[in-house]
Amino acid sequence: EDKVVQSPLSLVVHEGDTVTLNCSYEVTNFRSLLWYKQEKKAPTFLFMLTSSGIEKKSGRLSSILDKKELFSILNITATQTGDSAVYLCAVEPRGSTLGRLYFGRGTQLTVWP
Amino acid sequence: ETGVTQTPRHLVMGMTNKKSLKCEQHLGHNAMYWYKQSAKKPLELMFVYSLEERVENNSVPSRFSPECPNSSHLFLHLHTLQPEDSALYLCASSPQVGRDTQYFGPGTRLTVL
Repeated sequence: EDKVVQSPLSLVVHEGDTVTLNCSYEVTNFRSLLWYKQEKKAPTFLFMLTSSGIEKKSGRLSSILDKKELFSILNITATQTGDSAVYLCAVEPRGSTLGRLYFGRGTQLTVWP
Repeated sequence: ETGVTQTPRHLVMGMTNKKSLKCEQHLGHNAMYWYKQSAKKPLELMFVYSLEERVENNSVPSRFSPECPNSSHLFLHLHTLQPEDSALYLCASSPQVGRDTQYFGPGTRLTVL
């Protein structure tokens, strides 16, 4: 059973649109939630979130965590074709000495010109 | 440019072949990981090494054999694989096990015939 659930599984938008990607999780003793962008192969780190309500921003991307409701969102404003990728959410339990990250299945984002 | 490199980038092998995947990190990290990414499935953690010692084998079949000769290099030796082992194999590293962000290499796309 998946511990990290992402939605939607796929999303098609036009350039300039704003998108919101969702990640909900069920992990004992939460430590952090991470967002990655995977274009062709290697996931690229975007954000690490550890505290509720504090928005992390990087250009047109932003993310926020709600530890009470156990979810995070990733927003992308003014989307561009270069934003097309799979966006992965991963959760790390606190006290993990094993480097374990639980990944979601990802959201496939396609941005059309 | 990623600080984690993997070779080869693509590999096609028969079920009776023996091959090895190589990962090298130039980030001075102490922890390295092997992940498997199959189509339509979340990333799966296979092995974790900390300072060249294996700290987790996530119930991976013995036809996958890891080797970590030093903290900068990680190998995955493959022997008598099955077609269902075809996947993208990703290497990652982090400063310490179970802490901080993991940085991924570009992956090796493996096809088992």
